[in-house]
Amino acid sequence: QVQLVESGGGVVQPGRSLRLSCAASGFTFSNYGMHWVRQAPGKGLEWVAGLWYDGSNKYYADSVKGRFTISRDNSKNTLYLQMNSLRAEDTAVYYCARDSGFGESWPLDYWGQGTLVTVSA
Amino acid sequence: DIVMTQSPDSLAVSLGERATINCKSSQSVLYSSNNKNYLAWYQQKPGQPPKLLFYWASTRESGVPDRFSGSGSGTDFTLTISSLQAEDVAVYFCQQYLTTPQAFGGGTKVEIK
Repeated sequence: QVQLVESGGGVVQPGRSLRLSCAASGFTFSNYGMHWVRQAPGKGLEWVAGLWYDGSNKYYADSVKGRFTISRDNSKNTLYLQMNSLRAEDTAVYYCARDSGFGESWPLDYWGQGTLVTVSA
Repeated sequence: DIVMTQSPDSLAVSLGERATINCKSSQSVLYSSNNKNYLAWYQQKPGQPPKLLFYWASTRESGVPDRFSGSGSGTDFTLTISSLQAEDVAVYFCQQYLTTPQAFGGGTKVEIK
């Protein structure tokens, strides 16, 4: 069965960096696009970033462009989110989610349980 | 960017009664080349990640009970629960995936009256 397991969350000071990972199993990882979606405490869902099955195309929400970088290692079945210059407003649960297609214009059919990132002094 | 607006923010429905959630997009999410609406619905129960319910506005994901239905086209969409069950208590989100950035509605919380 499809499994997505996020890790790397924690408490970090404003301006610092953090890298999230998402380990995928139960499907051919290199065939699917992947995304990061976040949810601030008690709030709705915000799409953060996505990339194609082969990593050739990447795209970002304006709120994180220039600060966050999405990447993948298909040999390790792992998705990453490098988060730099973190701000208090980046505090959220970060979910990785599978694109049901190659990475663009498809719904998100599987989600991980999420990892909490707290940005606080 | 396409903005998604859901209504109401919350609703309380008696067990066995109908629940209706609306979603409106600021631009059409109907792609004329394939006549598909790039609109999905997700259900999120407390402490859980979102779960895909519908895509292409009305295609039910495998395993979703048929008391759930999705409808609409262009800019106006509806998620209907025909007979609310206790296990349907959740927050429901619509999402457009036609263009980047993908966008979610603000969510509708469904509770038991």
